[in-house]
Amino acid sequence: GEDVEQSLFLSVREGDSSVINCTYTDSSSTYLYWYKQEPGAGLQLLTYIFSNMDMKQDQRLTVLLNKKDKHLSLRIADTQTGDSAIYFCAESSGGGADGLTFGKGTHLIIQP
Amino acid sequence: AAGVIQSPRHLIKEKRETATLKCYPIPRHDTVYWYQQGPGQDPQFLISFYEKMQSDKGSIPDRFSAQQFSDYHSELNMSSLELGDSALYFCASSPSGTRGDTQYFGPGTRLTVL
Repeated sequence: GEDVEQSLFLSVREGDSSVINCTYTDSSSTYLYWYKQEPGAGLQLLTYIFSNMDMKQDQRLTVLLNKKDKHLSLRIADTQTGDSAIYFCAESSGGGADGLTFGKGTHLIIQP
Repeated sequence: AAGVIQSPRHLIKEKRETATLKCYPIPRHDTVYWYQQGPGQDPQFLISFYEKMQSDKGSIPDRFSAQQFSDYHSELNMSSLELGDSALYFCASSPSGTRGDTQYFGPGTRLTVL
C-alpha cells in the first residue's frame, strides 16, 4: 500500500528558510499536496503539485518534486513565527474522490 | 469565501452510545470525504461520496456508516462508541470528484468518548 514518510521535527530561526521533506512509495502517485495544521485547528491546503511538474512556486512557498527518487520538499522562505505548525505531506494516486494518504506530519518550530 | 461547515464542533459521549456528525460542503462542491485524526496522529481516510454515491472506502469501522444527501451534505453515524473512537473527525469537500481534485477541509468535530 501507499506510504508517506516525513521527519517529525524541524527547528529553524526566524527569517531563515525552512525545508520540509517527504518521501512516498507509491509509484503511481500523481498528485501531491502540502497541508498546514495549527494546534487544535483544521487542515489548511497550502499548495499542491502534479507529477508532470518538477517545481511550483507560490509566493514564499516552493515545492520541488523528484519523481525518480519519490521525494517531495516544501521550502518556506523568510520563515515567520506564524509559520509554526504541523505540515503534512499527502498523496493521491487513484481515481476520482479517492482519499488522501498523509505522512505523520513535521512539526515546524521557529526560534526567535 | 465559504468553507466546509461541520457540526457539532465538540461532542462528548459515553461508551456504547451513538453519535452523528454532520458536514456541509463548500457550495457547488458535490464530493465529500471523511477523515479521522487520533491524538498526535495523521488523518486517516474513512470514506467518500460523489453525487450521493459512495466512491471510495478507507479504514472505516463496521460500526460507522455515512451517507450523502440530496443537498450534498453528509452525515457520519457512529454506533457502539469505544474509547478509541475519541479523535478529531474532519470532513473535506471537492468540486467534482475527479482525479486529483483538491480537497478542502472543515474545522473538524472533536469527539470525546468517556
